[in-house]
Amino acid sequence: AQSVTQLGSHVSVSEGALVLLRCNYSSSVPPYLFWYVQYPNQGLQLLLKYTSAATLVKGINGFEAEFKKSETSFHLTKPSAHMSDAAEYFCAVSEAGSSNTGKLIFGQGTTLQVKP
Amino acid sequence: DAGVTQSPTHLIKTRGQQVTLRCSPKSGHDTVSWYQQALGQGPQFIFQYYEEEERQRGNFPDRFSGHQFPNYSSELNVNALLLGDSALYLCASSLDGREATEAFFGQGTRLTVV
Repeated sequence: AQSVTQLGSHVSVSEGALVLLRCNYSSSVPPYLFWYVQYPNQGLQLLLKYTSAATLVKGINGFEAEFKKSETSFHLTKPSAHMSDAAEYFCAVSEAGSSNTGKLIFGQGTTLQVKP
Repeated sequence: DAGVTQSPTHLIKTRGQQVTLRCSPKSGHDTVSWYQQALGQGPQFIFQYYEEEERQRGNFPDRFSGHQFPNYSSELNVNALLLGDSALYLCASSLDGREATEAFFGQGTRLTVV
């Protein structure tokens, strides 16, 4: 069965510092991996996705993530945090293959706090 | 493009009542999925509709049911509401048949059961 673990429910960084949000997945078949962001009282917005092409994926707002099969990880990074990055971040997995219906399995989420 | 729209945005119901939530998918999308997001948790998959049929279902009781209309819009119905059903309900639309299809989410409906 697929699962996603996000290490650290709360991450706090200073403005301008590196952002690192951790995600590990479990999947019996090649996965598709996603990072979503959720601002207060809003739905989810896709930041980036991994689809078995390049292992380093660039997304919106300066975020990127690297797929490491050996570590079953898909950590999200941003070189320099902005105040506007403060939000809830979710890692999600779905399974590749003909039976893929796009069902997403989400992690518990990581709250990113950015201090001035 | 209005994106995915959900109604209502907020709802308060009493235990035992029934509720219907509505979702209009992004233009051009034919698949609708519903998720429940409890406070402080990640979204949990409820079910997915495609071609007006429930195609896949998560670990939710039969009190949760849905419908998809010919115009691809969808409803989520919950019967015999419990306090534990209080959550943000998210609708996501996508286009079937595409690998790693991207799901677009609505703003959600905040359901409070008292």
